[in-house]
Amino acid sequence: QKEVEQDPGPLSVPEGAIVSLNCTYSNSAFQYFMWYRQYSRKGPELLMYTYSSGNKEDGRFTAQVDKSSKYISLFIRDSQPSDSATYLCAMSAMNSNSGYALNFGKGTSLLVTP
Amino acid sequence: DTGVSQNPRHKITKRGQNVTFRCDPISEHNRLYWYRQTLGQGPEFLTYFQNEAQLEKSRLLSDRFSAERPKGSFSTLEIQRTEQGDSAMYLCASSPNRASGNTIYFGEGSWLTVV
Repeated sequence: QKEVEQDPGPLSVPEGAIVSLNCTYSNSAFQYFMWYRQYSRKGPELLMYTYSSGNKEDGRFTAQVDKSSKYISLFIRDSQPSDSATYLCAMSAMNSNSGYALNFGKGTSLLVTP
Repeated sequence: DTGVSQNPRHKITKRGQNVTFRCDPISEHNRLYWYRQTLGQGPEFLTYFQNEAQLEKSRLLSDRFSAERPKGSFSTLEIQRTEQGDSAMYLCASSPNRASGNTIYFGEGSWLTVV
């Protein structure tokens, strides 16, 4: 079993819909949680960064972390066709020896249709 | 452009040849990482540098792989005697040296195809 599980989708929604993406994890040592967006054949682009539990909002994006359930979510409001991409969750433990190296999910492919 | 820069962006090589990728991190970022990503998978950690010191290597980094960061600035990843299974995107990332945890920024990746 991988440490980070993420449904690969694909997920198809109409423009303007609210999108919910999520990941589960098994390592209780994870403290730092991130969401990246990756367009085809491009590098991952950092979207959201959260430390420990709680919510964080940035424009149309909201990240939630529930450490008790080992579950994290990313919500996208008023989705746009330009949001079509693969969304990767990533997390790391407080391990300075590895530079807080990230453990990624497989990514969820999102398609927002006009 | 002050982002992470990787070269070459694409490389096609014959099996058995050696290849080298270069990464220029964001200026003043002490931490540098290499990851590998195959189709349909998330990036997998390969190795980590704190300045010029290579502090951690994944078991994915076989003996044919070697990474350096000679002056604590740019880094190179060399793959010797390439195999078809090495075909992947090799991602470099960097982050600042904050006290605990930090955000990691990725480059656009170097695509390797071994034929």
